This record gives sequence, structure tokens and C-alpha cells, in this order.
Amino acid sequence: LAKTTQPISMDSYEGQEVNITCSHNNIATNDYITWYQQFPSQGPRFIIQGYKTKVTNEVASLFIPADRKSSTLSLPRVSLSDTAVYYCLVGDKPGGGGNKLTFGTGTQLKVEL
Amino acid sequence: EAQVTQNPRYLITVTGKKLTVTCSQNMNHEYMSWYRQDPGLGLRQIYYSMNVEVTDKGDVPEGYKVSRKEKRNFPLILESPSPNQTSLYFCASWGPGGRHEQYFGPGTRLTVT
Repeated sequence: LAKTTQPISMDSYEGQEVNITCSHNNIATNDYITWYQQFPSQGPRFIIQGYKTKVTNEVASLFIPADRKSSTLSLPRVSLSDTAVYYCLVGDKPGGGGNKLTFGTGTQLKVEL
Repeated sequence: EAQVTQNPRYLITVTGKKLTVTCSQNMNHEYMSWYRQDPGLGLRQIYYSMNVEVTDKGDVPEGYKVSRKEKRNFPLILESPSPNQTSLYFCASWGPGGRHEQYFGPGTRLTVT
């Protein structure tokens, strides 16, 4: 199983871009990378997933270099409501489904005024 | 509305008293999982089911049982709970198609005294 490593915490201010990097050196050829967001006392919620290069949706971008040993979640213009824990997940199904899963320990993002 | 439901949301019990946490999804998903979340350890997968009557162990299956007799339900059974099973538990479901995301339930906070 690919082990993932993320920073424990990050601080930012409203309106700034936030980049959270996840390291997954042992990622397998058929593994996907997925990011989830979790607010206190709630289940994680899907943000974005990718396999290689760059993926963008309405809330975030995901950058994956050619060697796929890391990935970076980019949140443009964060607001207070983006304060949450962000998890990087590597697994053999897109979107994080499956039983060969490794969740990181998460990055606590705190956004201030 | 697509959702995963869990019951109960909160449970306090004593060591050795068998309990079941129910999980149900309304999305006709084939895959379902159980996770536990502990401070500093992120989300760890307990068990996983690929379809009816098909289950597999995750990272931390000791002390837990599951069954998948119907596609929509995936109960988690603790035959003889112990204090080290005090945790926050999440059920999730996943199916191919769409964004391939896992849908998580609201969580069950279990305390074993």
C-alpha cells in the first residue's frame, strides 16, 4: 500500500491561494489520487481526483508531476468556510473507492480574516 | 437525495456487550466500507465489501465483523467491544460512474467503558 505524507497543519488568510502537497513515494502504476475535505463531526467529502498531470474542477485544482510521487491540491482564494481537514488518498479505484486504500493523516487548514 | 445513513449516531456501552452499527445507502452502490477515525491517525479502513456476500479486511479488522446480505446495507458488528474500540466510525459507499467519489455517512461516535 502506498503510504502518504502531508503537513499536519497550514494557516492562510482569506483570499489567498493555498497549496497542500501530499507525498506518496510508493504509488502503484494503477493507483489514483483523491482528495477529501472534512469538517468537524462530519464525514469526509470528495473534492477532486486525478491520475496524472493537472485536473481542475469548480472548487480546486490537482497537480500531479510526471513521476506521480507527490500531488498538490490547490484551493484558489480561500475563505473562512474552507477551514477544515484535507485528506490525500491513494487507491486503486478512482475517487477513493476500493479496499487497497491509504488515507493520509490529514492537513488541518485554518483560514483567518 | 443520495445519502449514506448510520445508526446510532452516538453510543455509550460497556465492555463485552455486543453491538451493531447499521449503515444504509440509497445509491445502488456495489462498494461499501467502514472506517474508524482516531486523533492523529486519520481514517483507517476496517472492512470493505465489493458486493453482496463479498467482504474483505481493511487495515484494522481485529475485533470487528461485517455482513453484506443486501446491497444497500452494511452493518458493523462488535461482538465483544473493548475500550480501545472507542472511536468515531464512518461508513462509506462507492460506485463506478459519475465522479467516482466515496459518499460518507455522518459518523457514529462510540464510547466503550
